[in-house]
Amino acid sequence: EAGVVQSPRYKIIEKKQPVAFWCNPISGHNTLYWYLQNLGQGPELLIRYENEEAVDDSQLPKDRFSAERLKGVDSTLKIQPAELGDSAVYLCASSLDGDTGELFFGEGSRLTVL
Amino acid sequence: GNSVTQMEGPVTLSEEAFLTINCTYTATGYPSLFWYVQYPGEGLQLLLKATKADDKGSNKGFEATYRKETTSFHLEKGSVQVSDSAVYFCALNRPGGSQGNLIFGKGTKLSVKP
Repeated sequence: EAGVVQSPRYKIIEKKQPVAFWCNPISGHNTLYWYLQNLGQGPELLIRYENEEAVDDSQLPKDRFSAERLKGVDSTLKIQPAELGDSAVYLCASSLDGDTGELFFGEGSRLTVL
Repeated sequence: GNSVTQMEGPVTLSEEAFLTINCTYTATGYPSLFWYVQYPGEGLQLLLKATKADDKGSNKGFEATYRKETTSFHLEKGSVQVSDSAVYFCALNRPGGSQGNLIFGKGTKLSVKP
């Protein structure tokens, strides 16, 4: 069974440029998460979806970050415009049940903003 | 608020040594507790979990016991191997509604030398 797939694995951009990350969760997993992981830190939740609905986006900086999960499967996380402080690893995860804490993570997308 | 505190790394051990990675938490209510592991070049994966006080989670020779009286969930392994070299994250989850997301510690890097 395929795991959570993310792309791109690495992205380098100039500040003020836009960037987008894509995630394909494990088939049948209704709950999808985007986490942010800064260097030397644990992941922090940005947004959580139950099917197409964003049920927790309280930690998503909405002035520059946006996300969507059309048709309740794949998801895209966008940053526009990117700032130097956005350099981090963006992790996507999925789970069968959003309340159990058993998440399956992708390998992450490492963003470097110059 | 809810939080997790892990011992700082890196931790360097020789093969077959005993491992303890300390984790304490602060939470309202009764969270579930988790250890996630991130091997080099891979995504985070669930190592073990415990859902209530005095539960012991175990997997791959690793164990952790949910201690409510000391608000701790320390990870232990009797004899580590080189292949256990990874970053270990303690996390908690409070099930129910929009709180069904993970709060991670900063991670502890373990290096096992042959």
